[in-house]
Amino acid sequence: DAGVIQSPRHEVTEMGQEVTLRCKPISGHDYLFWYRQTMMRGLELLIYFNNNVPIDDSGMPEDRFSAKMPNASFSTLKIQPSEPRDSAVYFCASTSIGWHEQFFGPGTRLTVL
Amino acid sequence: AQKVTQAQTEISVVEKEDVTLDCVYETRDTTYYLFWYKQPPSGELVFLIRRNSFDEQNEISGRYSWNFQKSTSSFNFTITASQVVDSAVYFCALSEAASSNYKLTFGKGTLLTVNP
Repeated sequence: DAGVIQSPRHEVTEMGQEVTLRCKPISGHDYLFWYRQTMMRGLELLIYFNNNVPIDDSGMPEDRFSAKMPNASFSTLKIQPSEPRDSAVYFCASTSIGWHEQFFGPGTRLTVL
Repeated sequence: AQKVTQAQTEISVVEKEDVTLDCVYETRDTTYYLFWYKQPPSGELVFLIRRNSFDEQNEISGRYSWNFQKSTSSFNFTITASQVVDSAVYFCALSEAASSNYKLTFGKGTLLTVNP
């Protein structure tokens, strides 16, 4: 079975540009999580969905960040406008009810110049 | 609030040495789950193990073993006869069942370097 798929794997953009990160969870999983990893703050949960519905977005840093899950097999994390401090690795993870362990995608390394 | 502490920021060993990575957690829930993840230099996060709070039995998987002690709120990870391929950052994580939200709280991670 395919694992969690994320695209792009690397993104370099200039400050002020819109960035869209994409995630395809493992088929059949009904929870999807977005994390950000930086040296300073470690792994932070940004938002998570259950059955395509956002459940907790308290980790989203500010209004420049938004996330959607239009269907069970696709989610996006958008940053508009991007800033240099958004540079990080963004991970998507999924799991299924009753499992608890989350399975992570390979991550998207975002660099905002 | 839940919290995970990995006091060892970095550990360096020579190949074939045994090494233990410490993890201490805090939670008010009586039912919770503990995890270990491995992040090799390539960057992906690899799930290693899940342990339920009601199961204190230690677990062994090849060279890996985990010691769960509720009395000390610890969930330590031992690698026996370490190998260079074990070099990675290892994260301990906690999920509280009562909230039923499947959120993971991660420790800061321990960077393990195994030298040949």
